[in-house]
Amino acid sequence: DAKTTQPTSMDCAEGRAANLPCNHSTISGNEYVYWYRQIHSQGPQYIIHGLKNNETNEMASLIITEDRKSSTLILPHATLRDTAVYYCLRSGGGADGLTFGKGTHLIIQP
Amino acid sequence: GAVVSQHPSRVICKSGTSVKIECRSLDFQATTMFWYRQFPKQSLMLMATSNEGSKATYEQGVEKDKFLINHASLTLSTLTVTSAHPEDSSFYICSAPRAGSNTGELFFGEGSRLTVL
Repeated sequence: DAKTTQPTSMDCAEGRAANLPCNHSTISGNEYVYWYRQIHSQGPQYIIHGLKNNETNEMASLIITEDRKSSTLILPHATLRDTAVYYCLRSGGGADGLTFGKGTHLIIQP
Repeated sequence: GAVVSQHPSRVICKSGTSVKIECRSLDFQATTMFWYRQFPKQSLMLMATSNEGSKATYEQGVEKDKFLINHASLTLSTLTVTSAHPEDSSFYICSAPRAGSNTGELFFGEGSRLTVL
């Protein structure tokens, strides 16, 4: 049980912002929202995480709704190299491994 | 650069043989490491949690006698697939928690692709 829901696939034009939604309506108060991505035949790559506040780093922005039931990952200027499967996960930390769902296959179109 | 390294990245073996995959944390200590398996076009599935100095914890449905895990030091965990069969062919990925983090962030290795003939 991945505990998050994401669209199976999305397309985005190169140079545009890619907005990837995630639903985590049962998230508990101490759980963080994480985003990873996996390019074909590689290990997952950390993108960003957050608890309540919106977050931004050099890769992406994370917008978390006030009720924390959903979030959106934003890649501001998508490139072809951003084509990957993007996983939205939730974790309370500690010694538990992350549980992956099926993720969103983002395809950046030239 | 990579902070968790796996070796080998690719391995081909004959059915019935055993294969060892190493996972190393670079420049940080990892008392816990996680092993995942990923079949083609599927998501990552957690197999087991490797604990330094104690026995690994296996997820339901994962045979502990077939997938031997040894966490020999604070920077090394190994996964041995014993008596490998073609159905064990998969992409095996290890991960370790970011040192000092209590938020659940993990560093992942590059993965090891096992093909059993």
